[in-house]
Amino acid sequence: AQSVTQLGSHVSVSEGALVLLRCNYSSSVPPYLFWYVQYPNQGLQLLLKYTSAATLVKGINGFEAEFKKSETSFHLTKPSAHMSDAAEYFCAVSPPGSARQLTFGSGTQLTVLP
Amino acid sequence: EPEVTQTPSHQVTQMGQEVILRCVPISNHLYFYWYRQILGQKVEFLVSFYNNEISEKSEIFDDQFSVERPDGSNFTLKIRSTKLEDSAMYFCASTEDRLAGDTQYFGPGTRLTVL
Repeated sequence: AQSVTQLGSHVSVSEGALVLLRCNYSSSVPPYLFWYVQYPNQGLQLLLKYTSAATLVKGINGFEAEFKKSETSFHLTKPSAHMSDAAEYFCAVSPPGSARQLTFGSGTQLTVLP
Repeated sequence: EPEVTQTPSHQVTQMGQEVILRCVPISNHLYFYWYRQILGQKVEFLVSFYNNEISEKSEIFDDQFSVERPDGSNFTLKIRSTKLEDSAMYFCASTEDRLAGDTQYFGPGTRLTVL
């Protein structure tokens, strides 16, 4: 069975500061990994995904994530936070193979301070 | 840009009543999903649907739940007799194909409140 742990249910950063949102996974085989963002009263939007190609994945809005097998991690980063980045971020995992269900982490609420 | 739509945005019902949540997946997508998020909890997988039949379902998806693709565009989730604990945000998602790692596109959700 797969699982995802997101460390820190709430993260606050100042505008312009580095954003680091942590995600660790548990899986018996290298999974596919995803980061989704949810703005208030909206659905989940894909930021980026890892599907066993390059370990450093670049996504939308300046976000990127690095797959580290040795650490079973897929942390999300952005060099400089913007006020519009304030949202809830979800890490998710799915097993390799055909399109399958996503298992989500508990989410991290990002607050960007002026 | 094509998007997944869901109706209604908010549904209030009495315990024991039947509800039908509706989704219109992206038009050329073939694989459909329902997830739910109870307030303050994780997003949880309910069911996936492909080629007019259930592909996978979770333990949550018991006999009270059913899914259907009644026509070429809609994808519905029916809860036969709602319980208080069914109160949640329900998300529909779709993917273009069954390819590994294919992106799931989510709708904005339906907030179900069971009184």
